[in-house]
Amino acid sequence: NAGVTQTPKFQVLKTGQSMTLQCAQDMNHEYMSWYRQDPGMGLRLIHYSVGAGITDQGEVPNGYNVSRSTTEDFPLRLLSAAPSQTSVYFCASSYRQIYGAREQFFGPGTRLTVL
Amino acid sequence: GQQVMQIPQYQHVQEGEDFTTYCNSSTTLSNIQWYKQRPGGHPVFLIQLVKSGEVKKQKRLTFQFGEAKKNSSLHITATQTTDVGTYFCAATSMEYGNKLVFGAGTILRVKS
Repeated sequence: NAGVTQTPKFQVLKTGQSMTLQCAQDMNHEYMSWYRQDPGMGLRLIHYSVGAGITDQGEVPNGYNVSRSTTEDFPLRLLSAAPSQTSVYFCASSYRQIYGAREQFFGPGTRLTVL
Repeated sequence: GQQVMQIPQYQHVQEGEDFTTYCNSSTTLSNIQWYKQRPGGHPVFLIQLVKSGEVKKQKRLTFQFGEAKKNSSLHITATQTTDVGTYFCAATSMEYGNKLVFGAGTILRVKS
């Protein structure tokens, strides 16, 4: 199993550009999520999905869109990049929650810089 | 604001010394998880605690969940250079809508 994969690993954008961060998992996990990591802020939840066709907002959803058309893929779209979106982005997946969260499997991350 | 408070933010210890990081919440937690992130890496799951007062051990690491299920700690005995990294707690609560909320993390540096 490849686990959770993310592409690209690094990206530089200009303000106003749009792009999609890709995330895929091959563990048949129902739950997938996107986090951003900034110094001193921990991991903040952007969007999450409990299954194909179902998505919901996390703590910091503004400026980002997601969709979940298949169990395997959960892309994150930046609509109009801003310098405040400079961060490291992690995708994570897990089995369906039963009582509280399950073990999260993280991808290697995408380091995004917006100029 | 941060729903799960984690302290300290940073700790620098001599190899062989002990290390402890704490997580606190104002709400009752359903469960709490701990993750380790090596420099330049991604978070890796260490353990999950569910029961009130639960204590679990993994070699030199001891994890505790408070009796009121509002706090947790990770203690490392006799730190080694391989323990370097950032340790995160992450919790779910009915008050968080059952979303997994991460603490800000504790950065551990070990002097050899």
